[in-house]
Amino acid sequence: GEDVEQSLFLSVREGDSSVINCTYTDSSSTYLYWYKQEPGAGLQLLTYIFSNMDMKQDQRLTVLLNKKDKHLSLRIADTQTGDSAIYFCADPESNSGYALNFGKGTSLLVTP
Amino acid sequence: DTEVTQTPKHLVMGMTNKKSLKCEQHMGHRAMYWYKQKAKKPPELMFVYSYEKLSINESVPSRFSPECPNSSLLNLHLHALQPEDSALYLCASSPGGTGGGEQYFGPGTRLTVT
Repeated sequence: GEDVEQSLFLSVREGDSSVINCTYTDSSSTYLYWYKQEPGAGLQLLTYIFSNMDMKQDQRLTVLLNKKDKHLSLRIADTQTGDSAIYFCADPESNSGYALNFGKGTSLLVTP
Repeated sequence: DTEVTQTPKHLVMGMTNKKSLKCEQHMGHRAMYWYKQKAKKPPELMFVYSYEKLSINESVPSRFSPECPNSSLLNLHLHALQPEDSALYLCASSPGGTGGGEQYFGPGTRLTVT
């Protein structure tokens, strides 16, 4: 399958902004997704962006997409301790209409 | 109702046991999925059902047997599992029956095989 790459760890102080980065290889992706997984829980769909958009904002979340560089980022403004979780970037696998290619996940730790 | 529910939350089973995991959604979604997730790893796709028919089987061993009794329910029957099958099993659904679209996940079943 296609590769989705993310950095593994990020630590920020409460109140700061967090930026989680992702690169992908499949240029035919129509949508790109961000999921959040808290310890012991399932994956929560946070947001997604259409491939024809550069930016999407949803309250404290801002998604930026650079199609030329195949780079996706998730910015969390005013990060709170409740934002501590693993964040997965995902894009649909082109060989299958169903499967999602997940990155390895970025573990975000928010310290007081 | 905008959630995917899974039962049981935790399951401990021996290698000779037979058990089943259950998943339910009432969002009218036409595709349902089983994933396996090991600690600190992303989910791995196991099976996809589209319009209640098995569309994808990602070379999963036959000791895992999926079943889709109707459009709202998805089961995973387990038999003669190995300790390495211990993992979090996640169910998901998506609106489109022909693939694609955002997937909504349940909370998972934490399976331990002894």
